[in-house]
Amino acid sequence: DIQMTQSPSSVSASVGDRVTITCQASQYIGSWLAWYQQKPGKAPELLIYAASSLQTGVPSRFSGSGSGTDFTLTISSLQPEDFATYYCQQANLFPRSFGPGTKLEIK
Amino acid sequence: QLQLQGSGPGLVKPSETLSLTCIVSGGSISSSSYSWGWIRQPPGKGLEWIGSTSYSGNTHYNPSLRSRVTISVDTSKNQVSLNLSSVTAADTAVYYCAGPRGYYYFDYWDQGTLVTVSS
Repeated sequence: DIQMTQSPSSVSASVGDRVTITCQASQYIGSWLAWYQQKPGKAPELLIYAASSLQTGVPSRFSGSGSGTDFTLTISSLQPEDFATYYCQQANLFPRSFGPGTKLEIK
Repeated sequence: QLQLQGSGPGLVKPSETLSLTCIVSGGSISSSSYSWGWIRQPPGKGLEWIGSTSYSGNTHYNPSLRSRVTISVDTSKNQVSLNLSSVTAADTAVYYCAGPRGYYYFDYWDQGTLVTVSS
């Protein structure tokens, strides 16, 4: 099975900051990676798929990069509504697996 | 736009079977390009993939749950179902259905159903 790790597990930032979250797969997954945002009490929302493709309707301040085993989610200028938990997910092999999450908090 | 609506009992007794359904609107569940997944999230914890399926019947399960889980599609009701047998307190979680690229990425999610396993 493919294990997904994320760092940091939590991060504090201010509105307007640039934030980067990393995700690492335990083995090669090509570009088969997604990023989700989850707010308390809500279902996750797909932000990025295929490592760097922006889901329809997602603001352009979100971007994804990477391939192979190392991936990055970047938020270029934090907005108040971006404070949430972010998960990566690999879609290369079954069983699908998610990272443990990164909680983005207001500084 | 696709919409997913999950439903099912919020309380299940230990050793019994958890049964949830997810009705899909705004599209046909049997479209050849669609697949559907179930994901769960224990309170305060992360996301766990349970399994994915499509109209073709090609179904994949998480090995950790395979012996207890069944996912199926009912085209007459445009819904996908989840059955998890012999539940314990460890199965207490919010259960989500998602699709329509459920083999790969989860574009649309239902609102989630909190299922508590308790006597």
